[in-house]
Amino acid sequence: EPEVTQTPSHQVTQMGQEVILRCVPISNHLYFYWYRQILGQKVEFLVSFYNNEISEKSEIFDDQFSVERPDGSNFTLKIRSTKLEDSAMYFCASTPGTKIPDTQYFGPGTRLTVL
Amino acid sequence: RKEVEQDPGPFNVPEGATVAFNCTYSNSASQSFFWYRQDCRKEPKLLMSVYSSGNEDGRFTAQLNRASQYISLLIRDSKLSDSATYLCVVNGPDSSYKLIFGSGTRLLVRP
Repeated sequence: EPEVTQTPSHQVTQMGQEVILRCVPISNHLYFYWYRQILGQKVEFLVSFYNNEISEKSEIFDDQFSVERPDGSNFTLKIRSTKLEDSAMYFCASTPGTKIPDTQYFGPGTRLTVL
Repeated sequence: RKEVEQDPGPFNVPEGATVAFNCTYSNSASQSFFWYRQDCRKEPKLLMSVYSSGNEDGRFTAQLNRASQYISLLIRDSKLSDSATYLCVVNGPDSSYKLIFGSGTRLLVRP
């Protein structure tokens, strides 16, 4: 069964450094998402992406965040200058975009630790 | 008021028990409703979508009451493998595709 993959599984970085989290969505899916989950808290929406542009973003997704689909398979989340409070699990998700409701398939996540 | 509200639990039940979880959501414009399951430090996985007419998938039954903005999940004949956190999820209002998650209800099934 096709699945969303994410790399790395765990990223440790120093405060102020840039990180790029990578995702490979399911191949025929059209909508892509990033969510985050701070330890012990709920899953929160960050951004959705369709047709090579951001379709929606949350208040969390400020200027330090950006997303990109650099090629036909990868979908990346960049955090420009990490803060301690960016430490969280980051989940990528994708959907076919063919019907409503549309199941969002989640990747296994990247655990980001900012020191 | 929280967008999606759930009792955090934990619900500690013996194998074979029936357990019910409830959830309320604040935005009456929400169109789609789901239960996801999340194991510790893993990604959310879709358990089932929830339809107005109610729906059943094996031991799991989900109900939606739009008038009360209330969603429920019933698990019959609990298994040890059902131990997890159950997330009530609604989509954003209007044409939004984003998912809004509740904080989850933790279920522990004991032998």
